[in-house]
Amino acid sequence: AQKITQTQPGMFVQEKEAVTLDCTYDTSDPSYGLFWYKQPSSGEMIFLIYQGSYDQQNATEGRYSLNFQKARKSANLVISASQLGDSAMYFCAMREGRPGGSEKLVFGKGTKLTVNP
Amino acid sequence: DADVTQTPRNRITKTGKRIMLECSQTKGHDRMYWYRQDPGLGLRLIYYSFDVKDINKGEISDGYSVSRQAQAKFSLSLESAIPNQTALYFCATSDPSGGALNEQFFGPGTRLTVL
Repeated sequence: AQKITQTQPGMFVQEKEAVTLDCTYDTSDPSYGLFWYKQPSSGEMIFLIYQGSYDQQNATEGRYSLNFQKARKSANLVISASQLGDSAMYFCAMREGRPGGSEKLVFGKGTKLTVNP
Repeated sequence: DADVTQTPRNRITKTGKRIMLECSQTKGHDRMYWYRQDPGLGLRLIYYSFDVKDINKGEISDGYSVSRQAQAKFSLSLESAIPNQTALYFCATSDPSGGALNEQFFGPGTRLTVL
């Protein structure tokens, strides 16, 4: 079974609008971390935002926020006020176990976001 | 200067050739990782190393080997390259003392084509 599922191969959004990229995860470990990375066409992996399994509040980083619904095992990325530069692949990833433990990341297959002017 | 560097950035090779991809980091991190990215499949872990004396297989280690020459250097080798090893390869580092976040820092990637 896939540990990280991103069901949207591609998404389109108009500039200045908000968009939600879906991510569901599967783990039986009570301690885990969820990450979102952005990969522009140039290829580099850019860390965006992190949510720990014990964090009480949803993570936010500027225009990025993470809609963490633990019971549903979902960690959706919300990008507010989309910009043309947000066009990229977006990957959700999970680290199982406590920080400082195995540290291995499992990635989803990604969602390609296109921001239209 | 980039904290995590990979050489070469692009490589075209032929089936059966031995090839080495190199990763260097100046972040002082003990932990290093090699991933490959295939279109539509995301990133998959090949090998990881928690220190110079610790090497571990990841999800897809068959056909690959690694060497951790120093804390700062982690090399990935394809002993006999085959076309389905054509992919984008990433090196990453992390610091276990980095707190709850403990993000992985990625190199720029090496695009490998095996003909």
